[in-house]
Amino acid sequence: KQEVTQIPAALSVPEGENLVLNCSFTDSAIYNLQWFRQDPGKGLTSLLLIQSSQREQTSGRLNASLDKSSGRSTLYIAASQPGDSATYLCAVRGFGNEKLTFGTGTRLTIIP
Amino acid sequence: GAVVSQHPSRVICKSGTSVKIECRSLDFQATTMFWYRQFPKQSLMLMATSNEGSKATYEQGVEKDKFLINHASLTLSTLTVTSAHPEDSSFYICSARDGGLGGGSLSYEQYFGPGTRLTVT
Repeated sequence: KQEVTQIPAALSVPEGENLVLNCSFTDSAIYNLQWFRQDPGKGLTSLLLIQSSQREQTSGRLNASLDKSSGRSTLYIAASQPGDSATYLCAVRGFGNEKLTFGTGTRLTIIP
Repeated sequence: GAVVSQHPSRVICKSGTSVKIECRSLDFQATTMFWYRQFPKQSLMLMATSNEGSKATYEQGVEKDKFLINHASLTLSTLTVTSAHPEDSSFYICSARDGGLGGGSLSYEQYFGPGTRLTVT
């Protein structure tokens, strides 16, 4: 059974700093991994999707990497802004089905 | 594109009553929709997979008679919580899979709705 862990559960950093969020998964046989953002009381916004054959994806100030063999992914946020404050979730999708297994998330607070 | 809506966004109901939540794909046809539940400060847990025109597939531990899912059209799936109890209070989120371009179903991405906050008193 796939298990996805995100550490730390919460993170506070001053505005302008670069930061890294971590995601680990127990079964390396994944089809893809996706990073989402969730604002309080809201749904999910997809940030980046990395296919299993890819090593990284970039969008603006965000860069996600994937090391499938070690079961790890990182989300790098450059030059953080207060608007980046949210909960960040990673989710993995296995082969043969479309089920997404989510991590418990990292609650990020950017201090102005 | 790829917008998914949910209605209502919030609902409060009394214990023992039933409540229906709608999930719509606004600008694409969704042959498959997914229903998730999220308890406070916890992650999303898949409840069931809903396929248009057929019975939903429920995850282990989810009561199909309590959480009725209907996917009667390519743009609408509904989740009905029957005989709701306070422990059913949660945030319910749906997602919809679009057709994608080329490839088989494995290449399709899920798009998520804004969620519905259910409070059972």
